[in-house]
Amino acid sequence: GNSVTQMEGPVTLSEEAFLTINCTYTATGYPSLFWYVQYPGEGLQLLLKATKADDKGSNKGFEATYRKETTSFHLEKGSVQVSDSAVYFCALSDQGSARQLTFGSGTQLTVLP
Amino acid sequence: GAVVSQHPSWVICKSGTSVKIECRSLDFQATTMFWYRQFPKQSLMLMATSNEGSKATYEQGVEKDKFLINHASLTLSTLTVTSAHPEDSSFYICSSGGNTEAFFGQGTRLTVV
Repeated sequence: GNSVTQMEGPVTLSEEAFLTINCTYTATGYPSLFWYVQYPGEGLQLLLKATKADDKGSNKGFEATYRKETTSFHLEKGSVQVSDSAVYFCALSDQGSARQLTFGSGTQLTVLP
Repeated sequence: GAVVSQHPSWVICKSGTSVKIECRSLDFQATTMFWYRQFPKQSLMLMATSNEGSKATYEQGVEKDKFLINHASLTLSTLTVTSAHPEDSSFYICSSGGNTEAFFGQGTRLTVV
C-alpha cells in the first residue's frame, strides 16, 4: 500500500534560516504529491503540489520537487519567517484522486524572532 | 478555495458517552466527505468515506458501529463516536473537494476521560 515517511519534529529555527523538511514515499503507479500546512486553530491548507516526476511545486517561498528516482518530495524554504510557524504534512494520492490522501506524520515548525 | 467548517474544535467527554462531530461545506456541494483520525506523533489515517444519501465505506479495522457516519445532505456530514473510551481520544478531521485539491475542516480534538 501507499505510505509517506516524514521527518520528525519538532523543528525550531531562527527567522531567516533555511528550512528543509524531508519526505519520502512508497506508492504503486504515479502518485500526486502534496504539502499541506496547518496553522494553529485552522484546518489543513494546500501549500503546494506536484503531479508528475521532476515537477516543482512552489508557493509563498516554499518549494518541493517530485523526485521519482529517490521517491522524495522534500520541502524547502530559503528564509523562514515567524508567520511560517505551523504543522506541515506531506501527502500523496493516487493519480487523479486528490481527495483521498495518505499522510505523513506531520512536522511542527516553530520560527523564533 | 472552498471552505469546510468543522465543529467542535475540541471536546472533553466522559467515558461511555457519545460525541457528535459536524462538518459542513459552506460554499460547495460535498457529495463525498473523508474522515481522518490522527493519534499523537502518528499520521492522519483515513477512517471512512461518506457519500451523500448512501452508507459510508469504512477502512479496515475501523468499527462502523462505534463511529457512526451520516451524510444526509450535500452540505453536512457527521461523525458520532458512540460509547467513547479513553483510547478514542484523538484528533479527527474531515475533508472534501474536487479532484485536484482536498479542503479540510479545522479538526476536532477529542479527549475522553
